[in-house]
Amino acid sequence: SAVISQKPSRDICQRGTSLTIQCQVDSQVTMMFWYRQQPGQSLTLIATANQGSEATYESGFVIDKFPISRPNLTFSTLTVSNMSPEDSSIYLCSVGGGEFNQPQHFGDGTRLSIL
Amino acid sequence: AQKITQTQPGMFVQEKEAVTLDCTYDTSDPSYGLFWYKQPSSGEMIFLIYQGSYDQQNATEGRYSLNFQKARKSANLVISASQLGDSAMYFCAMREGRGRDDKIIFGKGTRLHILP
Repeated sequence: SAVISQKPSRDICQRGTSLTIQCQVDSQVTMMFWYRQQPGQSLTLIATANQGSEATYESGFVIDKFPISRPNLTFSTLTVSNMSPEDSSIYLCSVGGGEFNQPQHFGDGTRLSIL
Repeated sequence: AQKITQTQPGMFVQEKEAVTLDCTYDTSDPSYGLFWYKQPSSGEMIFLIYQGSYDQQNATEGRYSLNFQKARKSANLVISASQLGDSAMYFCAMREGRGRDDKIIFGKGTRLHILP
């Protein structure tokens, strides 16, 4: 399975600032995904990062708040903009398995706290 | 309506006992896949086991097995001979259809505590 490196692993930020999270994969992948996991909650898909086109956002998430880049088949970034305490979460990137029966594999996540 | 339902927010099990984590799902698509993930307190998501809607046999991976009851839309995870290291959050997840969209939907999870 793909090895996924996510940076930073954690950060504490001031409200109103922005943070960019990086996700690097050791092999080329078609599909990359960004999830948010609020404290004590399950994973919620933010968007699918498409190489060469705009990301596809899920209901409740907008590009102005969570801009995503996907410059090539091994790298993606998620920016959390104009942060508020409600944005305190774990943010995880994952890559699709390719085949239908293959699982998504996840990076170790970014623990983000907003003061 | 929820697509994935995990009715046990938390469970306490004695070490070495078997444990069953419940998962029911809702889909009208005949083609789907079901996954279980483990999330330790460190936060990483660890894939455990997969069951396809057309698979005739229940999936097994080491101490993990999936009790797949298609008519009941149930996909319970069974962990045999539980160990202290099994203490974690467990998520059931589903992928629908065979299109380009690979996204999966997660249940709310069950927190499993293994007691020494």
